[in-house]
Amino acid sequence: AQSVTQLDSHVSVSEGTPVLLRCNYSSSYSPSLFWYVQHPNKGLQLLLKYTSAATLVKGINGFEAEFKKSETSFHLTKPSAHMSDAAEYFCVVSDSHAGGTSYGKLTFGQGTILTVHP
Amino acid sequence: GAVVSQHPSRVICKSGTSVKIECRSLDFQATTMFWYRQFPKKSLMLMATSNEGSKATYEQGVEKDKFLINHASLTLSTLTVTSAHPEDSSFYICSASQAGLETQYFGPGTRLLVL
Repeated sequence: AQSVTQLDSHVSVSEGTPVLLRCNYSSSYSPSLFWYVQHPNKGLQLLLKYTSAATLVKGINGFEAEFKKSETSFHLTKPSAHMSDAAEYFCVVSDSHAGGTSYGKLTFGQGTILTVHP
Repeated sequence: GAVVSQHPSRVICKSGTSVKIECRSLDFQATTMFWYRQFPKKSLMLMATSNEGSKATYEQGVEKDKFLINHASLTLSTLTVTSAHPEDSSFYICSASQAGLETQYFGPGTRLLVL
Protein backbone atom coordinates (compact mmCIF):
# COMPACT_ATOMS: atom_id res chain seq x y z
CA ALA A 1 0.00 0.00 0.00
CA GLN A 2 1.13 3.53 -0.62
CA SER A 3 -0.01 6.92 0.60
CA VAL A 4 0.93 10.55 0.37
CA THR A 5 0.40 13.33 2.86
CA GLN A 6 0.79 16.95 1.93
CA LEU A 7 1.20 18.73 5.20
CA ASP A 8 -0.23 22.10 4.18
CA SER A 9 -3.49 22.63 2.35
CA HIS A 10 -2.62 26.29 1.70
CA VAL A 11 0.70 28.11 1.48
CA SER A 12 0.96 31.84 0.98
CA VAL A 13 4.19 33.63 0.06
CA SER A 14 5.26 36.99 -1.25
CA GLU A 15 6.69 37.29 -4.73
CA GLY A 16 10.45 36.84 -4.66
CA THR A 17 10.51 34.81 -1.43
CA PRO A 18 11.24 31.08 -1.15
CA VAL A 19 8.59 28.42 -1.57
CA LEU A 20 8.39 25.22 0.47
CA LEU A 21 5.62 22.68 -0.13
CA ARG A 22 5.86 19.69 2.15
CA CYS A 23 5.14 16.07 1.29
CA ASN A 24 5.55 12.81 3.18
CA TYR A 25 4.94 9.41 1.68
CA SER A 26 4.69 5.77 2.56
CA SER A 27 5.25 2.89 0.19
CA SER A 28 5.77 -0.84 0.43
CA TYR A 29 8.25 -0.82 -2.40
CA SER A 30 10.84 1.48 -3.90
CA PRO A 31 8.70 4.45 -4.76
CA SER A 32 8.77 6.83 -7.64
CA LEU A 33 7.71 10.29 -6.62
CA PHE A 34 6.33 13.15 -8.64
CA TRP A 35 5.20 16.70 -8.24
CA TYR A 36 2.46 17.97 -10.54
CA VAL A 37 1.03 21.46 -10.81
CA GLN A 38 -2.55 22.29 -11.75
CA HIS A 39 -3.67 25.75 -12.72
CA PRO A 40 -7.39 26.55 -12.39
CA ASN A 41 -9.58 24.49 -14.71
CA LYS A 42 -6.53 22.98 -16.34
CA GLY A 43 -4.98 19.54 -16.44
CA LEU A 44 -1.89 18.53 -14.53
CA GLN A 45 1.61 19.42 -15.62
CA LEU A 46 4.60 17.38 -14.50
CA LEU A 47 7.09 19.50 -12.57
CA LEU A 48 9.62 16.86 -11.69
CA LYS A 49 10.04 13.21 -10.79
CA TYR A 50 12.28 11.03 -8.65
CA THR A 51 12.99 7.49 -9.79
CA SER A 52 15.85 6.24 -7.57
CA ALA A 53 18.62 8.21 -9.23
CA ALA A 54 19.92 11.46 -7.73
CA THR A 55 18.10 12.40 -4.54
CA LEU A 56 17.98 16.07 -5.48
CA VAL A 57 15.74 16.45 -8.47
CA LYS A 58 15.52 19.58 -10.56
CA GLY A 59 12.36 20.33 -12.44
CA ILE A 60 10.86 22.95 -14.64
CA ASN A 61 10.32 26.61 -13.74
CA GLY A 62 13.06 26.61 -11.11
CA PHE A 63 11.47 24.02 -8.84
CA GLU A 64 13.38 21.24 -7.19
CA ALA A 65 12.69 18.51 -4.66
CA GLU A 66 14.85 16.37 -2.41
CA PHE A 67 14.10 12.73 -1.71
CA LYS A 68 14.94 11.87 1.90
CA LYS A 69 14.36 8.22 2.58
CA SER A 70 15.12 8.47 6.29
CA GLU A 71 12.40 11.09 6.66
CA THR A 72 10.10 9.62 3.97
CA SER A 73 9.83 13.11 2.58
CA PHE A 74 9.85 14.71 -0.85
CA HIS A 75 9.45 18.43 -0.25
CA LEU A 76 9.18 20.84 -3.17
CA THR A 77 11.14 24.08 -3.10
CA LYS A 78 11.80 27.13 -5.22
CA PRO A 79 14.22 29.91 -4.24
CA SER A 80 12.09 32.79 -5.46
CA ALA A 81 8.35 32.71 -6.06
CA HIS A 82 6.78 34.25 -9.13
CA MET A 83 3.19 35.34 -9.54
CA SER A 84 2.72 32.69 -12.21
CA ASP A 85 3.54 29.98 -9.66
CA ALA A 86 0.15 30.47 -8.03
CA ALA A 87 -1.63 27.14 -8.54
CA GLU A 88 -2.39 23.86 -6.82
CA TYR A 89 0.43 21.40 -6.37
CA PHE A 90 0.10 17.65 -5.98
CA CYS A 91 2.67 15.28 -4.56
CA VAL A 92 2.24 11.84 -6.10
CA VAL A 93 3.71 8.42 -5.41
CA SER A 94 3.84 5.53 -7.82
CA ASP A 95 4.28 1.93 -6.84
CA SER A 96 7.23 0.81 -8.93
CA HIS A 97 6.67 -2.89 -8.24
CA ALA A 98 6.62 -4.14 -11.78
CA GLY A 99 4.36 -7.04 -12.56
CA GLY A 100 1.83 -6.31 -9.87
CA THR A 101 -1.59 -4.91 -10.62
CA SER A 102 -0.62 -1.69 -8.91
CA TYR A 103 2.28 -0.98 -11.26
CA GLY A 104 2.05 2.54 -12.55
CA LYS A 105 -0.88 3.40 -10.31
CA LEU A 106 -0.53 6.88 -8.92
CA THR A 107 -1.62 7.91 -5.46
CA PHE A 108 -2.20 11.62 -5.08
CA GLY A 109 -1.75 13.81 -2.06
CA GLN A 110 -4.55 16.12 -1.07
CA GLY A 111 -3.00 19.07 -2.85
CA THR A 112 -1.48 22.35 -1.66
CA ILE A 113 -2.79 25.62 -2.97
CA LEU A 114 0.02 28.12 -3.40
CA THR A 115 -0.87 31.80 -3.29
CA VAL A 116 1.71 34.39 -4.31
CA HIS A 117 1.24 37.97 -3.16
CA PRO A 118 2.77 40.94 -4.98
CA GLY B 1 6.52 16.17 -26.59
CA ALA B 2 4.16 13.96 -24.58
CA VAL B 3 0.99 15.90 -25.24
CA VAL B 4 -2.39 14.53 -24.29
CA SER B 5 -5.61 16.13 -25.46
CA GLN B 6 -9.19 15.72 -24.33
CA HIS B 7 -12.41 16.50 -26.11
CA PRO B 8 -14.68 18.14 -25.31
CA SER B 9 -13.27 20.52 -22.72
CA ARG B 10 -16.72 21.26 -21.37
CA VAL B 11 -20.05 19.54 -21.83
CA ILE B 12 -23.52 20.15 -20.49
CA CYS B 13 -26.12 17.45 -20.88
CA LYS B 14 -29.56 16.52 -19.66
CA SER B 15 -30.08 13.89 -17.02
CA GLY B 16 -30.49 10.43 -18.55
CA THR B 17 -28.37 11.04 -21.63
CA SER B 18 -24.93 9.59 -22.34
CA VAL B 19 -21.77 11.57 -22.83
CA LYS B 20 -18.55 10.45 -24.50
CA ILE B 21 -15.19 11.98 -23.64
CA GLU B 22 -12.16 11.37 -25.81
CA CYS B 23 -8.55 11.22 -24.69
CA ARG B 24 -5.79 11.27 -27.27
CA SER B 25 -2.02 11.02 -27.07
CA LEU B 26 -0.81 13.32 -29.80
CA ASP B 27 2.86 12.50 -30.18
CA PHE B 28 3.43 9.15 -28.54
CA GLN B 29 1.87 5.71 -28.30
CA ALA B 30 -0.01 5.28 -25.08
CA THR B 31 -0.11 1.64 -24.10
CA THR B 32 -1.86 2.54 -20.89
CA MET B 33 -4.41 5.24 -20.24
CA PHE B 34 -5.94 6.24 -16.96
CA TRP B 35 -9.18 8.00 -16.15
CA TYR B 36 -9.52 10.18 -13.08
CA ARG B 37 -12.30 12.15 -11.51
CA GLN B 38 -11.73 15.31 -9.54
CA PHE B 39 -14.35 16.77 -7.25
CA PRO B 40 -14.26 20.49 -6.42
CA LYS B 41 -11.34 21.35 -4.16
CA LYS B 42 -10.41 17.68 -3.95
CA SER B 43 -7.60 15.55 -5.21
CA LEU B 44 -7.78 13.20 -8.19
CA MET B 45 -9.47 9.86 -7.78
CA LEU B 46 -8.44 7.08 -10.12
CA MET B 47 -11.48 5.53 -11.78
CA ALA B 48 -9.94 2.98 -14.09
CA THR B 49 -6.86 1.87 -15.95
CA SER B 50 -7.03 0.72 -19.54
CA ASN B 51 -4.49 -1.02 -21.68
CA GLU B 52 -4.77 -0.91 -25.44
CA GLY B 53 -6.83 -3.78 -26.76
CA SER B 54 -7.97 -5.13 -23.41
CA LYS B 55 -10.72 -4.47 -20.91
CA ALA B 56 -10.30 -1.69 -18.44
CA THR B 57 -9.56 -2.35 -14.80
CA TYR B 58 -11.90 -0.39 -12.56
CA GLU B 59 -11.15 0.83 -9.07
CA GLN B 60 -13.29 -0.32 -6.22
CA GLY B 61 -16.58 1.53 -6.09
CA VAL B 62 -16.55 2.63 -9.73
CA GLU B 63 -19.45 1.20 -11.75
CA LYS B 64 -18.09 -0.28 -14.95
CA ASP B 65 -21.51 -0.32 -16.59
CA LYS B 66 -21.95 3.36 -15.93
CA PHE B 67 -18.49 4.48 -16.94
CA LEU B 68 -17.66 2.64 -20.14
CA ILE B 69 -14.04 2.78 -21.19
CA ASN B 70 -12.70 1.85 -24.59
CA HIS B 71 -9.02 1.87 -25.53
CA ALA B 72 -9.15 0.70 -29.11
CA SER B 73 -5.89 2.18 -30.34
CA LEU B 74 -2.55 3.30 -29.01
CA THR B 75 -3.56 6.94 -29.26
CA LEU B 76 -7.21 7.00 -28.25
CA SER B 77 -9.26 6.09 -25.22
CA THR B 78 -12.86 7.05 -24.62
CA LEU B 79 -14.92 7.34 -21.46
CA THR B 80 -18.68 7.19 -21.85
CA VAL B 81 -20.82 8.26 -18.96
CA THR B 82 -24.08 6.39 -19.50
CA SER B 83 -27.44 7.63 -18.27
CA ALA B 84 -25.78 10.60 -16.65
CA HIS B 85 -27.22 12.08 -13.47
CA PRO B 86 -26.42 15.35 -11.69
CA GLU B 87 -24.16 13.53 -9.23
CA ASP B 88 -21.95 12.57 -12.19
CA SER B 89 -21.11 16.24 -12.70
CA SER B 90 -17.39 16.55 -12.19
CA PHE B 91 -14.02 17.24 -13.77
CA TYR B 92 -12.77 14.18 -15.63
CA ILE B 93 -9.08 13.94 -16.44
CA CYS B 94 -7.27 11.32 -18.47
CA SER B 95 -3.61 10.49 -18.52
CA ALA B 96 -1.44 8.34 -20.71
CA SER B 97 1.84 6.51 -20.36
CA GLN B 98 4.14 4.68 -22.70
CA ALA B 99 5.12 1.04 -22.44
CA GLY B 100 7.59 0.42 -19.65
CA LEU B 101 7.54 4.02 -18.48
CA GLU B 102 5.61 5.08 -15.41
CA THR B 103 5.40 8.81 -16.01
CA GLN B 104 1.84 9.77 -16.81
CA TYR B 105 1.04 12.73 -18.99
CA PHE B 106 -2.27 14.36 -18.27
CA GLY B 107 -4.91 15.81 -20.50
CA PRO B 108 -6.45 19.22 -19.80
CA GLY B 109 -9.61 17.70 -18.40
CA THR B 110 -13.30 17.72 -19.30
CA ARG B 111 -15.83 19.48 -17.15
CA LEU B 112 -19.15 17.67 -17.21
CA LEU B 113 -22.34 19.30 -15.96
CA VAL B 114 -25.48 17.19 -15.87
CA LEU B 115 -28.70 19.14 -15.50
